[in-house]
Amino acid sequence: GQNIDQPTEMTATEGAIVQINCTYQTSGFNGLFWYQQHAGEAPTFLSYNVLDGLEEKGRFSSFLSRSKGYSYLLLKELQMKDSASYLCAVLDSNYQLIWGAGTKLIIKP
Amino acid sequence: DADVTQTPRNRITKTGKRIMLECSQTKGHDRMYWYRQDPGLGLRLIYYSFDVKDINKGEISDGYSVSRQAQAKFSLSLESAIPNQTALYFCATSDSGRDTGELFFGEGSRLTVL
Repeated sequence: GQNIDQPTEMTATEGAIVQINCTYQTSGFNGLFWYQQHAGEAPTFLSYNVLDGLEEKGRFSSFLSRSKGYSYLLLKELQMKDSASYLCAVLDSNYQLIWGAGTKLIIKP
Repeated sequence: DADVTQTPRNRITKTGKRIMLECSQTKGHDRMYWYRQDPGLGLRLIYYSFDVKDINKGEISDGYSVSRQAQAKFSLSLESAIPNQTALYFCATSDSGRDTGELFFGEGSRLTVL
């Protein structure tokens, strides 16, 4: 079966750096997405990786290793507004999105 | 105004009632999707449509039906609601012309079935 694993919850301190991991086992691979979802709101797109390596976008970076079935989202200079759930999703060989359950990130002052 | 609009935003209904959730978009995207989200679970795809004449079942289509009335409108119906259909429902759109295929979500419709 297809599976996306991410930690259920993480806690970090304002101003610090946090890394949220995602491992996947899917039938094929056509890209990996990270979305941010604040409580009670819609998910919003953060990043897309299809090739191995690091993609940097401001305070957020996303890394992909296709051989390891692994990705991480790195958040730097954490702000209170970064408290949210972070969803990892993989596009499989049929171009269907397979979603992880999300990681709830709690930022403490 | 939101680019992807869902109505109603909240609905409480009783078992056996017919419910329709509506979605409209002003993004001009050709693809539309309906997902449900339950606590502790990932987003699960109910139905999707790649254009007006194309309707496809997702992983959890049983108990649901959809209608793509126009490129901008995609409705989800629960013919006879049951309590385990209580969830947060999201409509989403994407543009087949974009490399990343990112999804744009509506604000969600919270449905409670008593």
